[in-house]
Amino acid sequence: AQSVTQPDIHITVSEGASLELRCNYSYGATPYLFWYVQSPGQGLQLLLKYFSGDTLVQGIKGFEAEFKRSQSSFNLRKPSVHWSDAAEYFCAVGDETGNQFYFGTGTSLTVIP
Amino acid sequence: NAGVTQTPKFQVLKTGQSMTLQCAQDMNHEYMSWYRQDPGMGLRLIHYSVGAGITDQGEVPNGYNVSRSTTEDFPLRLLSAAPSQTSVYFCASSFSRHPIGNTIYFGEGSWLTVV
Repeated sequence: AQSVTQPDIHITVSEGASLELRCNYSYGATPYLFWYVQSPGQGLQLLLKYFSGDTLVQGIKGFEAEFKRSQSSFNLRKPSVHWSDAAEYFCAVGDETGNQFYFGTGTSLTVIP
Repeated sequence: NAGVTQTPKFQVLKTGQSMTLQCAQDMNHEYMSWYRQDPGMGLRLIHYSVGAGITDQGEVPNGYNVSRSTTEDFPLRLLSAAPSQTSVYFCASSFSRHPIGNTIYFGEGSWLTVV
């Protein structure tokens, strides 16, 4: 069965510092991978997605993620974090039917001035 | 264009009561779904629909019913609420029946407490 692991429950970074959020997945075939962001009291917003092709994908708000099949990872990165990036981040994998998604438990990001 | 609208935003129920969480989208999306979000659990799929008259179970369907009589609406029913159903519920929709290749739009959530 598909599963997603986000090993970091909470991360704190200084504004302007770089960020990397980890995501590991378990899936038999080529995975469909996503990163979502959730601001307090809000729904989820798609940051980026990977289906195939170039393993480095660019998303909105200056985020990028790299798919590494050998490590079963899809880590999210940003070179310089802004205070407005403070939120909950979820990694997700979609199944082969295209109808079901499995989310990780989320990583809460705090940005300090 | 309101996107995905969920009502109510907050609700407190007593154990055994029934209620319906409403979800409506005005984007003519075929795919709609319900998730619950619990601390330390992430989002888990309850039910989904790929079009009017078609529904299917997700990862955690027990205790919930759904129907899809129109393209726009996808209500989630709790027939006999239990404290274990205390959670934040999110409705989501996508243009395609197979949303993998399409953006999924989430509602703002419904906070449900069962006492």
